[in-house]
Amino acid sequence: EVQLVESGGGLVQPGGSLRLSCAVSGFTFSSYWMHWVRQAPGKGLVWVSHISGDGSNAGYADSMKGRFSISRDNAKNTLYLQMNSLRVEDTAVYYCARGFGAGRFDPWGQGTLVTVSS
Amino acid sequence: QSALTQPASVSGSPGQSITISCTGTSSDVSAYNYVSWYQQHPGKAPKLMIYAVSDRPSGVSNRFSGSKSGNTASLTISGLQAEDEADYYCTSYASGNTWVFGGGTKLTVL
Repeated sequence: EVQLVESGGGLVQPGGSLRLSCAVSGFTFSSYWMHWVRQAPGKGLVWVSHISGDGSNAGYADSMKGRFSISRDNAKNTLYLQMNSLRVEDTAVYYCARGFGAGRFDPWGQGTLVTVSS
Repeated sequence: QSALTQPASVSGSPGQSITISCTGTSSDVSAYNYVSWYQQHPGKAPKLMIYAVSDRPSGVSNRFSGSKSGNTASLTISGLQAEDEADYYCTSYASGNTWVFGGGTKLTVL
């Protein structure tokens, strides 16, 4: 069974940092692009970042460039999102999702909540 | 990277059909056939319903269909059922190695 489990969320002060993890199982992790998508409370989905299977290619939404960094450890079947200089507006549930070709984000993890507040 | 434009809400009665539009630009929806649609029930993770504009994953009801014309993609749900009540989001690949989501549409089954 394909599973994605996010962790690492929590409460952090503005200007702080946090590293999210997404542990996967049930498929050959290194063969797939992976994505991070976030959803602020009561708001819509926003694409954050993606990374190629070998980690050599990554992309970011403009509002996250320079502050967020995506990476992966294929030996540990784990995806990461390092978030620095966090702002109140970064408060959201962060989901990881597998990029399953032809534009599919499938499946998704259950999400981890990041709250940025003083 | 502006969000794709979706209606905030749509509604329909059981058995009816509804269509949700998703309007982008020449840099996303009209440029690529990588439009997909997701269903999200409250408190749950999104679920893939349509990919590559009109393809349906195995296990998704054939009541769900997708199409695209120019810079507007559409999701049609026929034979509305109570369990279809949810939020729906479109997404498209966009120039610059990025992806963009729509703002989401709340479907109410009357």
